[in-house]
Amino acid sequence: EAQVTQNPRYLITVTGKKLTVTCSQNMNHEYMSWYRQDPGLGLRQIYYSMNVEVTDKGDVPEGYKVSRKEKRNFPLILESPSPNQTSLYFCASSFRGARGGYTFGSGTRLTVV
Amino acid sequence: AQSVTQLGSHVSVSEGALVLLRCNYSSSVPPYLFWYVQYPNQGLQLLLKYTSAATLVKGINGFEAEFKKSETSFHLTKPSAHMSDAAEYFCAVSAPISSGSARQLTFGSGTQLTVLP
Repeated sequence: EAQVTQNPRYLITVTGKKLTVTCSQNMNHEYMSWYRQDPGLGLRQIYYSMNVEVTDKGDVPEGYKVSRKEKRNFPLILESPSPNQTSLYFCASSFRGARGGYTFGSGTRLTVV
Repeated sequence: AQSVTQLGSHVSVSEGALVLLRCNYSSSVPPYLFWYVQYPNQGLQLLLKYTSAATLVKGINGFEAEFKKSETSFHLTKPSAHMSDAAEYFCAVSAPISSGSARQLTFGSGTQLTVLP
């Protein structure tokens, strides 16, 4: 089944403790992206990647890192999480980036206390 | 720069009534436009997209949207609401290839649709 898989689905952590949210797609998509969803703000892009080893900042990149060493994987790294990073995170992928529309993962609900 | 405005953060309709969710966009170049739906505790699912072909676009689950350049709008409609349509709906815009900036989707803030029995 074609899908984007994120792990974990739920995560509670403490301020400053490094964490990684994994994202993997099995559709051979070139483009991948991370979004955060907050009430009343819709989805805002954190980082995106056009292909292996090619990444760029979205609208809200502060406090996040990404890497794209393999085509299928695009992990999101929070080196020192803070409470304002409590949010619902979505990974997405596409053959043609935003022009073709993205396939979204099921989301990761992160709480930083 | 591009942006999306969804009018009405909450919309309620009766089952069987017309669904109309409003979306206006701002883009310096002809845009591509999308509607996504999010059911509780799920990711986003693409409902339909406009990519400069026919201005009336049909999507899944009986939804359709019409691109109106003069009004910079891309409103989502469905003739008859069903209980299963209750969800949050997001309009999104991206710039086309020729602009050189077609790197991301910009989302509206979402509209929560409630369907009353």
